[in-house]
Amino acid sequence: DIQLTQSPSSLSASVGDRVTITCRASLTINNYLNWYQQKPGTAPKLLIYAASTLQSGVPSRFSGSGSGTDFTLNINSLQPEDFATYYCQQSYSTSWTFGQGTKVEIK
Amino acid sequence: QVQLQESGPGLVKPSETLSLTCSVSGGSINNFYWNWIRQSPGKGLEWIGYIYDIGTTTYNPSLQSRVTFSVDTSKNQFSLQLHSVTSADTALYYCARGNTAMLPYHYYYMDVWGKGTRVTVSS
Repeated sequence: DIQLTQSPSSLSASVGDRVTITCRASLTINNYLNWYQQKPGTAPKLLIYAASTLQSGVPSRFSGSGSGTDFTLNINSLQPEDFATYYCQQSYSTSWTFGQGTKVEIK
Repeated sequence: QVQLQESGPGLVKPSETLSLTCSVSGGSINNFYWNWIRQSPGKGLEWIGYIYDIGTTTYNPSLQSRVTFSVDTSKNQFSLQLHSVTSADTALYYCARGNTAMLPYHYYYMDVWGKGTRVTVSS
């Protein structure tokens, strides 16, 4: 299995901050990397696919980058509704895997 | 718009089979990859596998020996069976639609999710 390691596991930030979450793959996955947001008590929501393509309806303050083994999710000007847990997920191999998650909390 | 709804027993006894169904409304079940994902209490997400509309399956290797997927295109439903369950299978189970984009290669992602159904394994 391809392992995905996210960092940090959690972070505290204020409204208006720029937040960066990284996801590192144990093998190269080209850009077969997706990002999801999960709020407590709700299902994950797709934010970005193919490393950098914004899903329809997702605010432009979210952006993704990277290729190979290292990927980044950026949130510009953090909003109150962005406090959540974020997961990366690879679809390069036939066995899909998720990162362990990054919880973004209010400072 | 497409919606997914999981259904099934909330309580399963150890060693028995967990059976869940996902009903797809507002769209066709054809030409998509239909996934099951679970989340243990307080933990992250674990992909269980997917079934393509014609019945082709791919399972997580860690669960492959105990999992069976099926699809009923006439009912717009797909199902999960997890055999010989233990307390470690207690989780919130989600179904999700797997979609693809040609960019120019096929990229796969899960763009529509059900709300999840909680399953507890206990005697």
